[in-house]
Amino acid sequence: AQRVTQPEKLLSVFKGAPVELKCNYSYSGSPELFWYVQYSRQRLQLLLRHISRESIKGFTADLNKGETSFHLKKPFAQEEDSAMYYCALSTGGFKTIFGAGTRLFVKA
Amino acid sequence: EPEVTQTPSHQVTQMGQEVILRCVPISNHLYFYWYRQILGQKVEFLVSFYNNEISEKSEIFDDQFSVERPDGSNFTLKIRSTKLEDSAMYFCASSGSADRDPNQPQHFGDGTRLSIL
Repeated sequence: AQRVTQPEKLLSVFKGAPVELKCNYSYSGSPELFWYVQYSRQRLQLLLRHISRESIKGFTADLNKGETSFHLKKPFAQEEDSAMYYCALSTGGFKTIFGAGTRLFVKA
Repeated sequence: EPEVTQTPSHQVTQMGQEVILRCVPISNHLYFYWYRQILGQKVEFLVSFYNNEISEKSEIFDDQFSVERPDGSNFTLKIRSTKLEDSAMYFCASSGSADRDPNQPQHFGDGTRLSIL
């Protein structure tokens, strides 16, 4: 079955601390993975995708096929990073499966 | 920067009535999607649309639902005979100016909050 699991509903860290939002997926084929973010009162928007291998707003995510994970990391969290983060799996067709989301709260 | 727009932002409908949710995707995009998010739950895929036909649909997208691109700019989701459990936020998204590459990042609208009474 195709599934995306984000085990943490809420993650609270202090400003300047490292942050890791976990994402595991279940898919037998070759996955396309994304992180989407929704800031307060804004629309859902793409943060990054694994295929582009880039760092956006200091965030990176590495696809680990052995562990079927795509964790999102940032070495030093900022208050403006507070948002809802969704990991998403595209199955090579026209369907995208979202995880339940993790709310990141960065405390001053 | 072009955006996906959805109307209305909030729709209140009596149970059993039909409702049409409207979306204007980004103009050069080729792939269109509807998702829903029931309060407190995850974003769920409903349907994708490409080349004027449904490409894929989830088990949620039963005969009660239909999609249409009536005029080359709007992309609508129709829900017939609405039920209380249809109450949710409905998101439209579009992607892809490159043909035959559906795995391009999706651009989302602000959503329509549908409340069934």
